[in-house]
Amino acid sequence: DSGVTQTPKHLITATGQRVTLRCSPRSGDLSVYWYQQSLDQGLQFLIQYYNGEERAKGNILERFSAQQFPDLHSELNLSSLELGDSALYFCASSPTDRSYNEQFFGPGTRLTVL
Amino acid sequence: AQTVTQSQPEMSVQEAETVTLSCTYDTSENNYYLFWYKQPPSRQMILVIRQEAYKQQNATENRFSVNFQKAAKSFSLKISDSQLGDTAMYFCALNINFGNEKLTFGTGTRLTIIP
Repeated sequence: DSGVTQTPKHLITATGQRVTLRCSPRSGDLSVYWYQQSLDQGLQFLIQYYNGEERAKGNILERFSAQQFPDLHSELNLSSLELGDSALYFCASSPTDRSYNEQFFGPGTRLTVL
Repeated sequence: AQTVTQSQPEMSVQEAETVTLSCTYDTSENNYYLFWYKQPPSRQMILVIRQEAYKQQNATENRFSVNFQKAAKSFSLKISDSQLGDTAMYFCALNINFGNEKLTFGTGTRLTIIP
C-alpha cells in the first residue's frame, strides 16, 4: 500500500458525459501528479500540482482539467468524454516538486467510456 | 524533449534464473534521474530502483541491480534469482532535474517468470 488513495476504483460512463476522479496523496506529500495509461499511448503524464498550484503540464486535453485543494487532495475532471478516453488513470504523490523524489502511485481509476 | 525506449515487449525466464531488461533514453540534460517501476497484475505501480545520473556507481536493491551507461544512454535492469512474484510489466522512466518534473515512461517489458 503506497498510502495514495484514489476513488472510484472503476467508473463506467457514456460518451459526452463528465466525470471526476479523486486522489488523496500520502500524508505530508505536497506534489500530486496525474498519469493516463492506455493501450495505444502507454503511460502519459497529464499534469502536476504542487501545494495547490499547477506546476507542470503534459499531454492533457483541453477537455480535461484538474485542481489541488487546500487539504492537498486533487481532482481530475474529464468532460465531453470520448471512447478514446477509456484508460487507467493514476495519481502519484511525492514529498516535494524535486525530480529525485520517488513518486508513489495510487491503485488507479479504471475509466470505461461506452 | 525526453524519450525512453524499451525494445523488448515481452520476456520470459525460468524461476531462479537471471534476466536483464533493456532501456535506452535520450535527453539533452546532464542532471536527471532514472527509475524502474514494476506493475504487477494488480496494476499498482511500484518503484523497483532509482539511479542518479551524476553517480557512476550502479544502484542495487537486493536482487535488483542496474547497469547505467551514461555515455551510451543505457539503463538496464538485472533481476537475479528471479521469483514468481517478479512476474509483471516493467517500465523504465526518466525524470529531468529541473523544470518539468514529470516522469517519461518507456512502453514497458512484460516479464513472465516460469515455474
